[in-house]
Amino acid sequence: EVQLLESGGGLVQPGGSLRLSCAASGFTFSSYAMNWVRQAPGKGLEWVSGISSGGGSTNYADSVKGRFTISRDNSKNTLYLQMNSLRVEDTAIYYCAKGGKRWPPGAFDIWGQGTMVTVSS
Amino acid sequence: EIVMTQSPATLSVSPGERATLSCWASQSVSSNLAWYQQKPGQAPRLLIYDASTRATGFPARFSGSGSGTDFTLTISSLQSEDFAVYYCQQFNKWPYTFGQGTHLEIK
Repeated sequence: EVQLLESGGGLVQPGGSLRLSCAASGFTFSSYAMNWVRQAPGKGLEWVSGISSGGGSTNYADSVKGRFTISRDNSKNTLYLQMNSLRVEDTAIYYCAKGGKRWPPGAFDIWGQGTMVTVSS
Repeated sequence: EIVMTQSPATLSVSPGERATLSCWASQSVSSNLAWYQQKPGQAPRLLIYDASTRATGFPARFSGSGSGTDFTLTISSLQSEDFAVYYCQQFNKWPYTFGQGTHLEIK
């Protein structure tokens, strides 16, 4: 079964850091682009960042550029999101989502269940 | 950035009736458009990609159409499990952007 399982969310103070992980199983992780998408409480979806299958290409939303870093370890079938200088407005459920084999990745066909990040003092 | 606009924000429809959801892009996205379904407390699920191709697991009552800037999601005969929030997303240009969603509710 194709599955994505996020972890690493929690409560952090403004200005703090957090690293999210997304463990993939059931497919050849190294062949697919991956993404992070977030959803603030009661709000819509916002694409955050994407990374190509080999990790050589990345892209970020303007709202997180310079503060967040996406990376992947294909030997561990794991996607990461390093979040620094966190702001209250970064509070959201963070989903990892599988893209296609190409870059840019196209639609997101598999999503994890999400991990909640709360930025508050 | 490409702005995606969905209409209406909320659509009230009776079971068995047809629902038509609209999505507009601020500039052409060709056919690089997806629709997602999200139920309360769940992650989104890919429903339609490339504007009109139905994803695995969704029945034929769901259909997508359009290209360029105007897109439509049609549900031909609503079932109870179809009441959810629907988002469109363009993947033609970075940053990928979503519409604000249409909440499809039972009338």
